[in-house]
Amino acid sequence: GAVVSQHPSWVICKSGTSVKIECRSLDFQATTMFWYRQFPKQSLMLMATSNEGSKATYEQGVEKDKFLINHASLTLSTLTVTSAHPEDSSFYICSAKGAGAAWWEQYFGPGTRLTVT
Amino acid sequence: AQKVTQAQTEISVVEKEDVTLDCVYETRDTTYYLFWYKQPPSGELVFLIRRNSFDEQNEISGRYSWNFQKSTSSFNFTITASQVVDSAVYFCALSEGTGNQFYFGTGTSLTVIP
Repeated sequence: GAVVSQHPSWVICKSGTSVKIECRSLDFQATTMFWYRQFPKQSLMLMATSNEGSKATYEQGVEKDKFLINHASLTLSTLTVTSAHPEDSSFYICSAKGAGAAWWEQYFGPGTRLTVT
Repeated sequence: AQKVTQAQTEISVVEKEDVTLDCVYETRDTTYYLFWYKQPPSGELVFLIRRNSFDEQNEISGRYSWNFQKSTSSFNFTITASQVVDSAVYFCALSEGTGNQFYFGTGTSLTVIP
């Protein structure tokens, strides 16, 4: 089956620094990748959708300048949290959809837990 | 408005009891998919089932069963003879035909007490 990986699985950074999270599709080409954020004991909320080679589309209320998304290849999308603050501490999950796949055929990564101190 | 509602925030059962997790959804699309995911403490989403809007047949997989009723917009999940390993947060999700997005419910935290 389709596998999506994320790196790192957890990261601790100091307030004001930037951190990059990678999302990779290991055995398929992901034309579309999605980034979700999950605060403790809450649901997953879609942050943005990225299509390979295009600018990401951000959901309302998500700061595009703070959460930089790059989808430069068909197997890699990155989310960079710039000038991170403690309120950005969260669990970030990506999902990926392959070329020609049905709209519902998304595969989720294992998530990255970000803690900002 | 919330597209997926999981009214049960937390449930505790004693091992071997049956437990049903409720999920109510809202959509105007005629074509959509419903999902259940399990999220253990590690955080990784574990896919359990996918059901499309045209298939109302109930499904059973081992101790798991799902009851999909379009008339009540519900897609409930039952665990029979619960085990400690079933302890996790369970999410119901909706994917509509008009978009790529998954809408997740707020999750139900299930604790199975030995």
